[in-house]
Amino acid sequence: GENVEQHPSTLSVQEGDSAVIKCTYSDSASNYFPWYKQELGKRPQLIIDIRSNVGEKKDQRIAVTLNKTAKHFSLHITETQPEDSAVYFCAATINNNDMRFGAGTRLTVKP
Amino acid sequence: DAGVIQSPRHEVTEMGQEVTLRCKPISGHDYLFWYRQTMMRGLELLIYFNNNVPIDDSGMPEDRFSAKMPNASFSTLKIQPSEPRDSAVYFCASSSGVVNNEQFFGPGTRLTVL
Repeated sequence: GENVEQHPSTLSVQEGDSAVIKCTYSDSASNYFPWYKQELGKRPQLIIDIRSNVGEKKDQRIAVTLNKTAKHFSLHITETQPEDSAVYFCAATINNNDMRFGAGTRLTVKP
Repeated sequence: DAGVIQSPRHEVTEMGQEVTLRCKPISGHDYLFWYRQTMMRGLELLIYFNNNVPIDDSGMPEDRFSAKMPNASFSTLKIQPSEPRDSAVYFCASSSGVVNNEQFFGPGTRLTVL
């Protein structure tokens, strides 16, 4: 069935470095791609999203890129800080009627 | 608005018992989602409602799980009978307009079935 693949499952970076998380999807009709951040013991919260009519979106240190031809999208975090440590989930609409989440990436930013 | 409200926050029960999880969506939101989160399977969509009507329940694991939304401000997820493998964090989320919009998650219910 339709799904969303996310890589890597864990990522460790030094404070100040960049972090990149990648997702691929299978439904060519997908048109909404949000990213959620989940801190330990807390609920997932939206940090940025992108729609299919845009190739890139940026919000301060966070950016998301979308390649509809290749059916993949990526989250970029620059100048990482320890408070960026969390689990990040990508998601995509499936069959225009459902939201499917990736398996998550545990990001650790070492001071 | 207080955001999405879930109760209880923690539930410990014994195998075979009935468990009922509750959710109050954000006022005005017409979509409500139930998710289950485990280390092994990640975040799984169980079911979602639009205007109180179940739209997609294909994620509901089996007949032991049922969900209802009797009105726009309340939904329940029931497990009967519960099993140890049901132990997980269950999140409720709501959104407005369409599926392609930000979902606001509740704090979750951590369920432990002994």
